[in-house]
Amino acid sequence: QKEVEQDPGPLSVPEGAIVSLNCTYSNSAFQYFMWYRQYSRKGPELLMYTYSSGNKEDGRFTAQVDKSSKYISLFIRDSQPSDSATYLCAMRSGGSNYKLTFGKGTLLTVNP
Amino acid sequence: DAGVTQSPTHLIKTRGQQVTLRCSPISGHKSVSWYQQVLGQGPQFIFQYYEKEERGRGNFPDRFSARQFPNYSSELNVNALLLGDSALYLCASSLEPGQQETQYFGPGTRLLVL
Repeated sequence: QKEVEQDPGPLSVPEGAIVSLNCTYSNSAFQYFMWYRQYSRKGPELLMYTYSSGNKEDGRFTAQVDKSSKYISLFIRDSQPSDSATYLCAMRSGGSNYKLTFGKGTLLTVNP
Repeated sequence: DAGVTQSPTHLIKTRGQQVTLRCSPISGHKSVSWYQQVLGQGPQFIFQYYEKEERGRGNFPDRFSARQFPNYSSELNVNALLLGDSALYLCASSLEPGQQETQYFGPGTRLLVL
């Protein structure tokens, strides 16, 4: 079993739709959870950063973490064609463990 | 402010050759991490350096090595290249390792091994 599982999609939605992206994980030591957006042939761009369980909102983006279920989500409201990209979940444990463990990424296309 | 910069952007090598990739972190950031991203996969952790010392290493063979310089820039070296080393190599910088560490990625170096 991989430490982080993410449905690779692809996911195609019409402009204005609400998008839900999800990851599950098996390592209960993970405490910090991130979502990155990666455009084709570019480096990942940090979207959201969350510590432990709970919700965090930033504009059209909402990140949710449920540590009891080992499940994290990213919601995108009023999706735009410019949101078309690969979305990567990433997580790490606390303390001296610095490495980020990523999901495979979900390819999202928002159609005008 | 400039973000993380990496050079070169693209590179083509043949099997058995050696390659050096370079990274300059965001100004004020003292920690650099390297990741390998194979097509269709998420990035895989290779190394983290802080204050010129290796602070973490992923499951990569000894053909992979890195170092960090006094100005916090970093180099990743890969010896005896294999076809499977073809990937996007990403550098990420952060202020310093710690509880609130957030890593910011550069554009990557795309390596093709023929």
